[in-house]
This record gives sequence, C-alpha cells and structure tokens, in this order.
Amino acid sequence: EVQLVESGGGVVQPGGSLRLSCAASGFTFDDYAMHWVRQAPGKGLEWVSLINWDGSSTYYADSVKGRFTISRDNSKNSLYLQINSLRGEDTALYYCGKDIATTQELGMDYWGQGTLVTVSS
Amino acid sequence: DIQLTQSPSFLSASVGDRVTITCRASQGISSYLAWYQQKPGKAPKLLIYAASTLQSGVPSRFSGSGSGTEFTLTISSLQPEDFATYYCQQLNSYPPTFGQGTKVEIK
Repeated sequence: EVQLVESGGGVVQPGGSLRLSCAASGFTFDDYAMHWVRQAPGKGLEWVSLINWDGSSTYYADSVKGRFTISRDNSKNSLYLQINSLRGEDTALYYCGKDIATTQELGMDYWGQGTLVTVSS
Repeated sequence: DIQLTQSPSFLSASVGDRVTITCRASQGISSYLAWYQQKPGKAPKLLIYAASTLQSGVPSRFSGSGSGTEFTLTISSLQPEDFATYYCQQLNSYPPTFGQGTKVEIK
C-alpha cells in the first residue's frame, strides 16, 4: 500500500524557517518525481515545487522561488521542503504528492494527509 | 506561466444530473491535463490524467476530453458522493498550475 506521511509543520514567526518531510512507502521511491502542493485555509490548490527522480532537476512556483528548497534522499525514501523567510501568505496545509508517471509528469496519484504551516507573530 | 480558468466556479446540481466542468488554458498544453476531486478535510484525489485517461478505481461515470487549450470533465450521472470541489492542473510546462476550482453542491 502506497503511503505518504508529511511532518514538520508548526507555528513559526514571520521570517522564520521550517523543514518539512514526507516519508514514502509502498512503491519504488526513486522511480518517480515528487511534488509539494499547498492549500491556504479556505482556498484552492497551489503547486509549490517538483523534484525529479534522482534530484538532479528541481522546479518552483514563482511565489516561493529563492525561499524554498526541495530535496530528496532516495536511500531513506524521503522528500523534503526547506522553507525560509516565511511570510503570512505561506500559511497553508502542505501536501506531498507522488507523480503517476516515471518519464513525464502527468499528475499526482497519491497524496499525503498534509502538514500545517502557520506563520504568525 | 500558464493560467487555467475553470467554469463555472460554482455549480448546483441534483443527483442523476449530467455535469460538465470546463478548463481553459491560456496557451496550448497538448493533453497534459489532470483532474482532481477534493472533499472537505481530505487530500485531493486524481480522477483523470493525460486529459482523458481514467485513473484506476475511479468510476466510469467520470470522463475527460479535450486537447490544446480547452478541456472538459463530465460526470454522466451525479451521485451523492460526487459533491466536492474539482480542480484541473496542467503539466505541460513549469510551473504545473492548477485551476481555481469548481465547487459542486446539491441543488
């Protein structure tokens, strides 16, 4: 059974940092690209970042570029998102997602339950 | 960045109705479009990928069509469990943007 479990969220002051983690199981982790997607309270989905299967290619939404860093450790079946210089608008539930395909991103077939990041002074 | 515009943003329908949601892209995205369903307090669920491929386990009343800039998600006969918010996502180019969502509520 495929499982994605996020952790690392919490309450942080503006300008602070957090490291989110996503532990994966039930599939061959290093075959797939992985995504981070966030959802602010009561709002829609916002794609945040993507990393390819071996970590050699990474992509970011303009709203987080330069502040967020995605990475993965295939030996630990884990995905990470380092988030720095946090702003109020970063308050959201952060989901990790597995892409369905191995050669071209086509969509996320498995999602975690999300980890909540709240930016507040 | 490619913008996706869903219409309508809100839809009120009855059980048994045929429902169609449209997603328009600001530029051509070939068939690199996915559709998701999200219920309150839950993670999104993939329904359709590559514009028209039904994800495993998704009921056949869901179907997707389109290519280029215009896409549709159709629910042939709305069931009580289908009341949710639906999102499209393009994966043709980075960043892979989402539409703003379409909320389907009970009439």
